[in-house]
Amino acid sequence: AQRVTQPEKLLSVFKGAPVELKCNYSYSGSPELFWYVQYSRQRLQLLLRHISRESIKGFTADLNKGETSFHLKKPFAQEEDSAMYYCALREGAGKSTFGDGTTLTVKP
Amino acid sequence: DGGITQSPKYLFRKEGQNVTLSCEQNLNHDAMYWYRQDPGQGLRLIYYSQIVNDFQKGDIAEGYSVSREKKESFPLTVTSAQKNPTAFYLCASTRTGVNSPLHFGNGTRLTVT
Repeated sequence: AQRVTQPEKLLSVFKGAPVELKCNYSYSGSPELFWYVQYSRQRLQLLLRHISRESIKGFTADLNKGETSFHLKKPFAQEEDSAMYYCALREGAGKSTFGDGTTLTVKP
Repeated sequence: DGGITQSPKYLFRKEGQNVTLSCEQNLNHDAMYWYRQDPGQGLRLIYYSQIVNDFQKGDIAEGYSVSREKKESFPLTVTSAQKNPTAFYLCASTRTGVNSPLHFGNGTRLTVT
């Protein structure tokens, strides 16, 4: 069965510091991986997906199939990045499995 | 703010009563999902539907039921058989294409006493 692990429930960094939110997955097929973000009092929304290889709000995530990881990174954290972040894996049938989430706090 | 609408935002029920949560989308998405969000446990899949009149159980379907009579609507019923119904419930939808992301509603917080 597919599984997504986010080892850190809480992560706290200072403004301007680099941040990395870890995500590891187990899946026998070819994974479709996503990062979703939930800001305070807003709905859960897509941040980025591995297929796009894009940078959104300064965040990037690289799929490493050898290490089965999809870590989210940003070189210089901002206070507005404080939010809950979820890593998710979608299998071919359309079902998505989520990690437990990481709450990021960026301190001034 | 179009997209997915969940209602009501807050719902209170007595133990032993069934309750139905509404989810409507105007995105013309084929697939719809119900997740339960508990503190420290992430999102757990209850039921999902990839086409009208068809749906599948997710990881925690016991005590829940759904219907998909229309493409736009995917209501979730929390039955009296659900042992711990108090939770935050999220509805989502997506296209069935590869790498299509989920679009979420604002959620319904159900409290059963």
